[in-house]
Amino acid sequence: DGGITQSPKYLFRKEGQNVTLSCEQNLNHDAMYWYRQDPGQGLRLIYYSQIVNDFQKGDIAEGYSVSREKKESFPLTVTSAQKNPTAFYLCAGQDRETGELFFGEGSRLTVL
Amino acid sequence: QKEVEQNSGPLSVPEGAIASLNCTYSDRGSQSFFWYRQYSGKSPELIMSIYSNGDKEDGRFTAQLNKASQYVSLLIRDSQPSDSATYLCAPRLGSSASKIIFGSGTRLSIRP
Repeated sequence: DGGITQSPKYLFRKEGQNVTLSCEQNLNHDAMYWYRQDPGQGLRLIYYSQIVNDFQKGDIAEGYSVSREKKESFPLTVTSAQKNPTAFYLCAGQDRETGELFFGEGSRLTVL
Repeated sequence: QKEVEQNSGPLSVPEGAIASLNCTYSDRGSQSFFWYRQYSGKSPELIMSIYSNGDKEDGRFTAQLNKASQYVSLLIRDSQPSDSATYLCAPRLGSSASKIIFGSGTRLSIRP
């Protein structure tokens, strides 16, 4: 099946630990995005990447890191420097022609 | 001034009526505009894209764009209980950049 696949869907982490969220796509999208959503809030942009080996910070990049070593994959690492990491994380790929974003099912991170 | 502004709601509309959702944006260079629907606990799904001034209709949904006023709206005709969700407005900032910023969303409730 084609689409954006995020894993894991649910993740629990102890304070002080880094955690990496996976995002894989087979839609041949050049651009990929990571957003964070807190309860009752909108989506806030963490990082985005327009091409392989290149990425830009979004509005809330502090405490996060990404890599884009291949087109299909855009993993997000939530580091221990992120003060309040409990949130719903959404990865999206972007259609080059229309600019439309297509989202994965999300990863829900809870810090204990 | 926020880059994208939406009334958070909740907006309560009787079943069968027209729901009107509004969005204003600050970047005059925005060229593409997207409306996403998000059910509680799920990821956003694209429902409408609009690129030029005027109206665009797709089934029960109509998107309206006025670039001079920096305003985009979504009308839902014959509202159904399944339309109860949060609706997110997302302009594509700039003419060539890929960055997409979301509004905080309007929560819509359709009452039977």
